[in-house]
Amino acid sequence: DAKTTQPPSMDCAEGRAANLPCNHSTISGNEYVYWYRQIHSQGPQYIIHGLKNNETNEMASLIITEDRKSSTLILPHATLRDTAVYYCIVRVAVGGSQGNLIFGKGTKLSVKP
Amino acid sequence: KAGVTQTPRYLIKTRGQQVTLSCSPISGHRSVSWYQQTPGQGLQFLFEYFSETQRNKGNFPGRFSGRQFSNSRSEMNVSTLELGDSALYLCASSLEGIRNTEAFFGQGTRLTVV
Repeated sequence: DAKTTQPPSMDCAEGRAANLPCNHSTISGNEYVYWYRQIHSQGPQYIIHGLKNNETNEMASLIITEDRKSSTLILPHATLRDTAVYYCIVRVAVGGSQGNLIFGKGTKLSVKP
Repeated sequence: KAGVTQTPRYLIKTRGQQVTLSCSPISGHRSVSWYQQTPGQGLQFLFEYFSETQRNKGNFPGRFSGRQFSNSRSEMNVSTLELGDSALYLCASSLEGIRNTEAFFGQGTRLTVV
């Protein structure tokens, strides 16, 4: 079973920030938080990942709480093309298998004009 | 650089037949994983190959098998197809090493069993 809990759906107005929450209360000290998204009928796309510090890249920001039991993915200026299912995944850190991702049901984000 | 390439993109098969799907990873990636996606079960991990060896396996029956070649290309095979095998099959490749990294997915093969 997935180790994360996400709301099934969210709406966001175009141009506004989209804040997608994820609960991972059983996360272990050596597990990272990863975010992927899947636009309809395409393969999932990597967005960002982090361990305990906040992270930012050209796509999004990841805010992880100090106790690491939850995180928020922030899309600063959502566009219609950001409409997708967003998956929050926790996985073991360095070395070993990188390919075994356990996907939950994700959050379906709908960006509206 | 070229992304993960899966062939064919679409496939229609009859119950009882077998099917082989192909995945070419990103150049330099030695890990290849396969996933099945259905509306009911979502994205489920099938298996992972690294250096021609199966390293992890999900909870699927033995009808689902795979292999990886020396050039890291991978194939998965499903024998004795059932209607419930209709799904989008996704392949992902990733680098190996000390640094934690991400998986890159292909566009998938949509299999329809009739």
